[in-house]
Amino acid sequence: SQTIHQWPATLVQPVGSPLSLECTVEGTSNPNLYWYRQAAGRGLQLLFYSVGIGQISSEVPQNLSASRPQDRQFILSSKKLLLSDSGFYLCAWSSTQNTEAFFGQGTRLTVV
Amino acid sequence: GQQVMQIPQYQHVQEGEDFTTYCNSSTTLSNIQWYKQRPGGHPVFLIQLVKSGEVKKQKRLTFQFGEAKKNSSLHITATQTTDVGTYFCAGMDGNNRLAFGKGNQVVVIP
Repeated sequence: SQTIHQWPATLVQPVGSPLSLECTVEGTSNPNLYWYRQAAGRGLQLLFYSVGIGQISSEVPQNLSASRPQDRQFILSSKKLLLSDSGFYLCAWSSTQNTEAFFGQGTRLTVV
Repeated sequence: GQQVMQIPQYQHVQEGEDFTTYCNSSTTLSNIQWYKQRPGGHPVFLIQLVKSGEVKKQKRLTFQFGEAKKNSSLHITATQTTDVGTYFCAGMDGNNRLAFGKGNQVVVIP
């Protein structure tokens, strides 16, 4: 069966520090991968999505970046965090056959 | 790009009553998906609609996809306290881009 792992679950980082959130998927190949951000009590904002290794589509210009170094690995990064980067970050995957998305447990990031 | 809008954003529903939440897209969708997020949790897939005019039921939940494949609705009957949470619709375009609406946060009043 397919599983998605996302870590860490919570993170507190100072302003200006770097960020690296990792997401891995098991039990499937060539998945579509997504990074979303959810501000407190708000909707899901699509940040990046990828349909294959090295293929990243960015939705919103900001100080975040994403990479897909391996087929089932998706990384969200920042060189210098801002206070406004605080939020709940969710990784998700779907198959290439246009099916539903499965979410990781999420990372609650607080920038102080 | 594709925009998915949901109304209302918030609902307070008396236990036992019915309610409906709506989803509208600026473009035609290849499919529409509905998710539920419990407080403190992550979104969990409920259902996917693909065909124009499609209606699907899951116990007390009825999902409908519009004829033009640009809108959808979720209707819940006899609301229970377990229905509390945020309901999201999401549309997938031809590039496998999955965009979510802002969600409908539902509070159930016992």
